[in-house]
Amino acid sequence: QSALTQPASVSGSPGQSITISCTGTSSDVGGYDYVSWYIQYPGKAPKLLIYEVTNRPSGVSNRFSGSKSGNTASLTISGLQAEDEADYYCASYTSTTLVVFGGGTMLTVL
Amino acid sequence: QLHLQESGPRLVKPSETLSLTCTVSGGSVSSHYYWGWIRQSPGKGLEWLGNMYYNGNSYYNPSLKSRVTISVDTSNNQFSLKLSSVTAADTAMYYCARRASSGWPNFDFWGQGTLVTVSS
Repeated sequence: QSALTQPASVSGSPGQSITISCTGTSSDVGGYDYVSWYIQYPGKAPKLLIYEVTNRPSGVSNRFSGSKSGNTASLTISGLQAEDEADYYCASYTSTTLVVFGGGTMLTVL
Repeated sequence: QLHLQESGPRLVKPSETLSLTCTVSGGSVSSHYYWGWIRQSPGKGLEWLGNMYYNGNSYYNPSLKSRVTISVDTSNNQFSLKLSSVTAADTAMYYCARRASSGWPNFDFWGQGTLVTVSS
């Protein structure tokens, strides 16, 4: 099972909105509404940000939103803040290996 | 608040078995959750290894299934990972994590991680 495809890096200025894509196949992202997003700061464990494509766990800012179209899921961060600078990973349920992660995207806030 | 803490040898020799334990506090491994392991190779992405329920029901990543064993110790409120026949490619940060009640692929509590190096 190959990792889901994410851009290696994205950047944006404070206050802007950015979108990170996560592309899979019909066996994972496209086949199920079980896509999650994680944020990981350097030296820290990942933290669940979005689950089931669009849902936010309690305590997660509504500046983070998720969506999906076909085999591609997306994470949008609005009102970009310096504290959003981190690595972001998508993950999906898959019919073959149960769980597959994306390769990760490094977000730089300019 | 639930807290997970990994422990175990940080250095393992090639061909040997990597063994890690995750101690759970603030909650019980006998609760209705799956407990498992995720690793991250240096500078790389995340890889799910497997999860186990306290009653023994388990799921493993097929790419590693023959080498991975996860067990739950309810008496000590711990769960463990064994990865056999390790090579340098198994050098990684190993995280223990709880699968959320919302299901796959949601992991809502994580340990801080422990870096394991495979080297002679």
